[in-house]
Amino acid sequence: AQKITQTQPGMFVQEKEAVTLDCTYDTSDPSYGLFWYKQPSSGEMIFLIYQGSYDQQNATEGRYSLNFQKARKSANLVISASQLGDSAMYFCAMREVSGTYKYIFGTGTRLKVLA
Amino acid sequence: DTEVTQTPKHLVMGMTNKKSLKCEQHMGHRAMYWYKQKAKKPPELMFVYSYEKLSINESVPSRFSPECPNSSLLNLHLHALQPEDSALYLCASSQGSGQPSQPQHFGDGTRLSIL
Repeated sequence: AQKITQTQPGMFVQEKEAVTLDCTYDTSDPSYGLFWYKQPSSGEMIFLIYQGSYDQQNATEGRYSLNFQKARKSANLVISASQLGDSAMYFCAMREVSGTYKYIFGTGTRLKVLA
Repeated sequence: DTEVTQTPKHLVMGMTNKKSLKCEQHMGHRAMYWYKQKAKKPPELMFVYSYEKLSINESVPSRFSPECPNSSLLNLHLHALQPEDSALYLCASSQGSGQPSQPQHFGDGTRLSIL
């Protein structure tokens, strides 16, 4: 069963606008972590932001914030003030405490920022 | 600059060749990973080493042989590969405890082409 779902294969956003990338997850483990990674066309996977299942507040890292809605099992990434350099593939990932060292990735969303 | 270093960045090899991919990290991480990634797809887990012992092998064909000589180094030995093995190979590391809060840190990857 798919545990991480990213329903937006591709997104466009105008430079300086905000954009939300969707991620829903499925787990019965009460303890888990959610991550977002950025992968530019050059290939490297860049860690952006983390949200823990017990965290009371939404995570923020600079222009990145995570809209965590636990009851809905969603962990959407919000990028504010988009820049041309934000154009990349974005992956949502989850690690369950019972899952040993496995990180489960979604299928990704390709974001294109328009000038 | 990434803290996980992969060499080489590009590799072209014939189906009868033997080559190795190398990965090095100096963050004191005790879990190291190999992923295979095809274009426009999420990374697929191949192997996980935890405290220098192989803890996960995702039913990878024996033509891929991992090795972890020490806690900082991870190799992937390649032999008799097939054209469908052409992909981006990513190495990652994480702290290695059982907590789900630890992100993976990725290298830039090796782009492998099998002729």
